[in-house]
Amino acid sequence: DAKTTQPNSMESNEEEPVHLPCNHSTISGTDYIHWYRQLPSQGPEYVIHGLTSNVNNRMASLAIAEDRKSSTLILHRATLRDAAVYYCILRVPIQGAQKLVFGQGTRLTINP
Amino acid sequence: DTGVSQDPRHKITKRGQNVTFRCDPISEHNRLYWYRQTLGQGPEFLTYFQNEAQLEKSRLLSDRFSAERPKGSFSTLEIQRTEQGDSAMYLCASSEPSGTPAYEQYFGPGTRLTVT
Repeated sequence: DAKTTQPNSMESNEEEPVHLPCNHSTISGTDYIHWYRQLPSQGPEYVIHGLTSNVNNRMASLAIAEDRKSSTLILHRATLRDAAVYYCILRVPIQGAQKLVFGQGTRLTINP
Repeated sequence: DTGVSQDPRHKITKRGQNVTFRCDPISEHNRLYWYRQTLGQGPEFLTYFQNEAQLEKSRLLSDRFSAERPKGSFSTLEIQRTEQGDSAMYLCASSEPSGTPAYEQYFGPGTRLTVT
């Protein structure tokens, strides 16, 4: 399975933008890029996904490089509730569905 | 309740015992997944059901592990003859049928297993 590489940890201040990078140099043409986050003692939750174009939703923005070998999750104004482990994931096809191949993620700390 | 639920939330067992976990997916979701997460690592895919059919199994799923989804509703994951290496968080997720654009997976809170 194709893999992703993320920094182990990042730190930011409340109400500032946060840019979380991800490398996925072995991505194939049909792999979607997903971001999930996991708050303490909870299961992962979906944040955003994309294939080629940049994407925006109410939670975040996803910027995808033109060659698709890297992407950046952007939190526009971080809050304390955004402190979590953020996973950059490639969604890999399996029979009739997709499985999520998680890496180790980036632990994001938000300072008040 | 509109979320994925898992039971129990915590399980402590002695090595060699059998354990069974239950997952109730979101009601209209026909796809169900099991993942395992060890401390400090991201979740790893174990197996996948479409309705009652188990269509994909990871090499991580040894013959001591078995999963079922009778009638395509709730699912159970059983571990026989538990080992200390089985200590982990077991996560269940569900997703909507094909044709839904995001294929987003909705995760439950997990069952934390500790084998002593």
